[in-house]
Amino acid sequence: AQRVTQPEKLLSVFKGAPVELKCNYSYSGSPELFWYVQYSRQRLQLLLRHISRESIKGFTADLNKGETSFHLKKPFAQEEDSAMYYCALSGHSGNTPLVFGKGTRLSVIA
Amino acid sequence: KAGVTQTPRYLIKTRGQQVTLSCSPISGHRSVSWYQQTPGQGLQFLFEYFSETQRNKGNFPGRFSGRQFSNSRSEMNVSTLELGDSALYLCASRQGMADTQYFGPGTRLTVL
Repeated sequence: AQRVTQPEKLLSVFKGAPVELKCNYSYSGSPELFWYVQYSRQRLQLLLRHISRESIKGFTADLNKGETSFHLKKPFAQEEDSAMYYCALSGHSGNTPLVFGKGTRLSVIA
Repeated sequence: KAGVTQTPRYLIKTRGQQVTLSCSPISGHRSVSWYQQTPGQGLQFLFEYFSETQRNKGNFPGRFSGRQFSNSRSEMNVSTLELGDSALYLCASRQGMADTQYFGPGTRLTVL
């Protein structure tokens, strides 16, 4: 079965501290992994997609197939990073629907 | 380009009624997906349409249905509403099946 697990509902960090949002997945085959973000009063938007290997707003995520993880990291948290973060997966080439984790709320404390 | 739009933004209905929600995708996008978001279950996939054909369907009862028109606009219908149908319903569009999904602001449905 396809499943995405985000173990932390809430993560609080101080401004300037490193951030790591955890994501573990279960999938038979080679999934595509995503991180979506929802800022306050804004719509859900793509933060990054593992196949693009980009760094967006200072965030990176490495796909670890051995540990079936796709943790999101940023070396120095900013107050504007406070938001809800969702990890998601789909089948290769998007041929299956997105399956989302339950989300982690990141709160960056000044 | 204009983003994904959803109408109405808020709805209040009573149990047993039916409701229709509408989604207009980004121009040029042929795929529309629907998701239900609740505090308990999170984001759950309902269905996806591509060029008027349902491509995928989530694990929801038959009371939930959808369709897509030739201009790619999509509607979803929920019949015989139950209290548990109260949720934020999100629509997302993408150009092709391998492309990034762009989400709308959602329709907040409250069932009393």
